Amino acid sequence: AQTVTQSQPEMSVQEAETVTLSCTYDTSESDYYLFWYKQPPSRQMILVIRQEAYKQQNATENRFSVNFQKAAKSFSLKISDSQLGDAAMYFCAYIRGGGADGLTFGKGTHLIIQP
Amino acid sequence: EAQVTQNPRYLITVTGKKLTVTCSQNMNHEYMSWYRQDPGLGLRQIYYSMNVEVTDKGDVPEGYKVSRKEKRNFPLILESPSPNQTSLYFCASSLRVYPTRQETQYFGPGTRLLVL
Repeated sequence: AQTVTQSQPEMSVQEAETVTLSCTYDTSESDYYLFWYKQPPSRQMILVIRQEAYKQQNATENRFSVNFQKAAKSFSLKISDSQLGDAAMYFCAYIRGGGADGLTFGKGTHLIIQP
Repeated sequence: EAQVTQNPRYLITVTGKKLTVTCSQNMNHEYMSWYRQDPGLGLRQIYYSMNVEVTDKGDVPEGYKVSRKEKRNFPLILESPSPNQTSLYFCASSLRVYPTRQETQYFGPGTRLLVL
């Protein structure tokens, strides 16, 4: 069974600086997708960025980018120019292609932004 | 506005009293799913549906039922709630699940349930 591990329960960064959240996963599949979701205090789950395993190019969405290392099964999220509104829980998630299984989530990283 | 809605957002109930949490999406999505979120355990899938009248169990289906009579609605039913079902519940939907591509799942706002 696939697993997703986020080894940093909590991270803190100064406003305007850059922070990287780590995620590793374990799977025997070759076709899969990876996501980062943000959960602010409102508890809503908001998609931040997605990466298809078959794509070598790292996904980027404005200030958010990923470092996808397929061989190492690593999928880290980099947040540049951190803003107060970035403070939230961040979840890394995996889903395999070709099936109807749901997302497998890591346990989350609590990101604190220091003003 | 494209969205997934859930009702109620907050619910306090007592053991054994049947309840239903509704989920509706306005994006014509085929795939819908229910998750529960518990501290230290992250989010876990309860049930999912690939289309109308097609549902299947996720990782933690015990104590729950679902139905999919219409494409837009996917209610979660707790026939006899117990305190261990106290949790935060999320409904999610995506356009479709097909062989070589997974569409992004969109989440509802969550329903916080307390079973006394």
